[in-house]
Amino acid sequence: GAGVSQSPSNKVTEKGKDVELRCDPISGHTALYWYRQSLGQGLEFLIYFQGNSAPDKSGLPSDRFSAERTGGSVSTLTIQRTQQEDSAVYLCASSSQRGGPYEQYFGPGTRLTVT
Amino acid sequence: GENVEQHPSTLSVQEGDSAVIKCTYSDSASNYFPWYKQELGKGPQLIIDIRSNVGEKKDQRIAVTLNKTAKHFSLHITETQPEDSAVYFCAVANMEYGNKLVFGAGTILRVKS
Repeated sequence: GAGVSQSPSNKVTEKGKDVELRCDPISGHTALYWYRQSLGQGLEFLIYFQGNSAPDKSGLPSDRFSAERTGGSVSTLTIQRTQQEDSAVYLCASSSQRGGPYEQYFGPGTRLTVT
Repeated sequence: GENVEQHPSTLSVQEGDSAVIKCTYSDSASNYFPWYKQELGKGPQLIIDIRSNVGEKKDQRIAVTLNKTAKHFSLHITETQPEDSAVYFCAVANMEYGNKLVFGAGTILRVKS
């Protein structure tokens, strides 16, 4: 079946602009995660959605970062007033979770470059 | 919070040889240990995982071993092939707390033919 999809695949933006990154999880998966992959920090957790529960935002690096998940499916990660240190690959993963299995399946990522 | 260390950072093996990558973690409450393979320009791909109630799991040429007492786990790839060349990441999570993955720094595996 279809895997996790993300768009755009690449995004170049100027410092100070806002960007929106989109994630379409695997159909039926109740859990959705955002991670960031950068040269300096490796792969790091950002935010986690599970069903209708309040999201776990404990990994967001600053209040410029926010995310929402509409209808329990598609998610959008928004970065306001982008900075050069936001340049990274943003990865989305989904999981079926409830009672297991807990495997997370990743999308191809969005490469963000802030100039 | 959880801290994951992964070694080695690079590994070169001859085709047909075995490769072993090791990870240690700090939080004894962690109970889920997946391994991911990442090829250039792609997202991480889950290749095998193990839960804390099991000491070893095998899937064809790939195996993972877990030592909960010592808080370390290892990925074993036997009969390596050129297509095994990639970056491998270990990760650690607690299934009772959202299963948020904490990743190791990665190992670049090169299989020479």
